[in-house]
Order: sequence, then structure tokens, then C-alpha cells
Amino acid sequence: QKEVEQDPGPLSVPEGAIVSLNCTYSNSAFQYFMWYRQYSRKGPELLMYTYSSGNKEDGRFTAQVDKSSKYISLFIRDSQPSDSATYLCAMSAGSSYKLIFGSGTRLLVRP
Amino acid sequence: ETGVTQTPRHLVMGMTNKKSLKCEQHLGHNAMYWYKQSAKKPLELMFVYNFKEQTENNSVPSRFSPECPNSSHLFLHLHTLQPEDSALYLCASSPGAQRGSQETQYFGPGTRLLVL
Repeated sequence: QKEVEQDPGPLSVPEGAIVSLNCTYSNSAFQYFMWYRQYSRKGPELLMYTYSSGNKEDGRFTAQVDKSSKYISLFIRDSQPSDSATYLCAMSAGSSYKLIFGSGTRLLVRP
Repeated sequence: ETGVTQTPRHLVMGMTNKKSLKCEQHLGHNAMYWYKQSAKKPLELMFVYNFKEQTENNSVPSRFSPECPNSSHLFLHLHTLQPEDSALYLCASSPGAQRGSQETQYFGPGTRLLVL
């Protein structure tokens, strides 16, 4: 079993839709949870960073962590064609430099 | 991207060639990383350097040889690679000083490597 599972997609939605991206994980020691966005031919860029359980909002993006279910989500409201990218979840137990990544979900927002 | 730069952006090499990938960070960070990204697979951490000392070697074959001459520069020397080594190689950096928490890593654009 992989430490982090992420549906590869692709996920295709119309402009303006609410998008839900998810990851599940198996290591209960994970405390730090991140979402990266990667455009084609670019490196990943950090979108959201959360510690432990709960929600965090930044503009159109909301990150949600449910440690009891070992499940994290990224919601994108009012999705735009410019949101079309691959979204990677990443997590760690902290006190180390080792981030464990999901394989990424490719999102396509149709105009 | 001016934070973390990588050269070359694309590289085609034969299995008997020797080449090097270069990474430079302009963020004043002290930790640098090499990752391998293959299609439909998670990013794989290869090496970590913290204050120029290698702190992680994630069971990487010896045909990959990292070098970190200072906190701003990181190299990946390649020799006798295999076709399955074709991938996007990403460099990242982080402050390198925050113990007890997970530091944010900043990525470069990557080098797309094709081994023939």
C-alpha cells in the first residue's frame, strides 16, 4: 500500500465549478499537509500549508484535513481555466526534511 | 523563475555519456534537494543537503552522484544511465533551520532528461 494515495484524474470541470481534490494516507504520524500546483513544464509551487486537523482558507482555495479519517482535501471555488494544472498533495511527520507526495491529480477547467 | 533555477532545461544523453545537472537558489536557503518525477508516479526524493552536508541518500543508484559545493549550488552528476532514468529532475530548497516543523520547499522548473 502506498503511503499517500491520490486519484490521478484527469478531472474535467466547467469554468465556475467547485472542484474537490483529495488524498488519503496511511501514516498516522503525518502532521504537516501541503498542496502544490504544477503547471505543464514547470516545477511545483506551494498553494496551501496546514498543520494538524482543521480547515484553512486562502481566497478561492480551502484546504481541509481530517486526521481521524486520514483524508485531506483541497477545494477550489469558482474554478478558472488558469487553474488547469496538476495538483500534488504532500505530507510529513515533521522534524525531518522528507516530504511524501501523492502522484498528482490533473485538473482541466473548460472555458 | 528567479528563486530556484535549473540548467539545462532539457537534456538528451546516451547510456555511455557523462553529464551534469545544475541547480542554483537565490533565496538564502541552507537546505537543497534533488527529486525525480516520473509520469504518473509520486515525486521521489533522491538526496538532501543541509548546510552543504548530505543528510539523506534515498537508496539512489551510484550512477547518480550529487555535489553541493556551497549552500547556493547543487549538482547532479550522471553517468552510464539507463533508459528508465528518463524523467523530470527537480531541485528544491528550503531555509534549513527550522527544527521540529516541516519547512516549505521551493522548487525549480526541472530538467527534462531523456536517456537513449
